[in-house]
Amino acid sequence: EAGVTQSPTHLIKTRGQQVTLRCSPISGHTSVYWYQQALGLGLQFLLWYDEGEERNRGNFPPRFSGRQFPNYSSELNVNALELEDSALYLCASSLESGTNTGELFFGEGSRLTVL
Amino acid sequence: GNSVTQMEGPVTLSEEAFLTINCTYTATGYPSLFWYVQYPGEGLQLLLKATKADDKGSNKGFEATYRKETTSFHLEKGSVQVSDSAVYFCALSEGTYKYIFGTGTRLKVLA
Repeated sequence: EAGVTQSPTHLIKTRGQQVTLRCSPISGHTSVYWYQQALGLGLQFLLWYDEGEERNRGNFPPRFSGRQFPNYSSELNVNALELEDSALYLCASSLESGTNTGELFFGEGSRLTVL
Repeated sequence: GNSVTQMEGPVTLSEEAFLTINCTYTATGYPSLFWYVQYPGEGLQLLLKATKADDKGSNKGFEATYRKETTSFHLEKGSVQVSDSAVYFCALSEGTYKYIFGTGTRLKVLA
């Protein structure tokens, strides 16, 4: 069974540009989570989608946005890129959206460098 | 809001040493608690979890006990191996505060 897949794996952008990151969850998983892993800051929660709806978002500006498609795949969009957006962006999926006990399955991430 | 605090790393130990990585949390109710591990070059994966007070999660020789009275979930292993070198993340999940992670603790085990 395929795990969580993310694309692209690496990308380089310049300040002010826009980027779209993509995530395909494990088959059957309806919940998708996005995290930002910047150096030394651990995992910062960005967004949670379930059944096509945004359920919660972390403390990030509105230029971070996303969506979830009917097949449960998801996109993360970042507009007006800033240098501090350079980070590893991780996507995770979970089968159990209605509980707090389920396991998150992570992809390997998209590493974004903003110059 | 909910949060997780982990001890700062890096932690450097010799093989077969005893490991403790401290984790404390802030939550309004009764969260589930998790430890995830990120081995070099790999994605995060679940190491163990506990879903209610006094539960003990265990896996691969690692253990952690959910202590409601001290709001803690410390990770322990009696005898670490070089292959345990990784970054360890404590996390909680409660209500809509889904899966809040700590900053991670890097462990380096020397042969």
